Amino acid sequence: EIVLTQSPGTLSLSPGERATLSCRASQSVSSNYLAWYQQKTGQAPRVLIYGTSSRATGIPDRFSGSGSGTDFTLTISRLEPEDFAVYYCQVFGNPPPRYTFGQGTKLEIK
Amino acid sequence: EVQLVESGGGLIQPGGSLRLSCVASGFSVSFYYMGWVRQAPGKGLEWVSVFYHDDETHYADSVKGRFTVSRDNSKNTLYLQMNSLRAEDTAVYYCARGRENYCDFNYWGQGTRVTVSS
Repeated sequence: EIVLTQSPGTLSLSPGERATLSCRASQSVSSNYLAWYQQKTGQAPRVLIYGTSSRATGIPDRFSGSGSGTDFTLTISRLEPEDFAVYYCQVFGNPPPRYTFGQGTKLEIK
Repeated sequence: EVQLVESGGGLIQPGGSLRLSCVASGFSVSFYYMGWVRQAPGKGLEWVSVFYHDDETHYADSVKGRFTVSRDNSKNTLYLQMNSLRAEDTAVYYCARGRENYCDFNYWGQGTRVTVSS
């Protein structure tokens, strides 16, 4: 079973700064199957990036995803106040079908 | 507009059963794979179950043998039957629609809270 490790656990930055979030898989994964989600307090998660680098509908272009193999990155180029939230990466593995989430990175205002 | 609305959560004693429902609108559940994801208080996201359009189902090891996912196409609804509930099943349960070829979840409901406690 694939294990995803996200780092850092907490990231403290100011609006306007650049954020780089990491997601490392315990084994190589298909780039088609790596996604990133944002979750704000009291809300359901929403997908930001799918297929490693494709932005979901309505997601601003300051969000970008990259990576391959076991190392993946979510970058937020210039932080807006509404970007402070928890971010999760997720991968699909098979067989058997499993949808695994990382433990999350909390992005907080410095 | 795609919408997912969960219901059926509540307070239940350990060992009890509960059935969650997820009513979909704006699309047909028979054409998409659907999943359940849960989040324990203050914790991260944990995948629970998936229902594929060919009626194939899969479960996380933590719930296998206790939870059953099903679908009623006529009601456009996904269900999660939860038996032998344990304290560690306490969580908000989200219903989500899957995206073909990429295996992420691109639409989510607002969640329903399940508390297992005596």
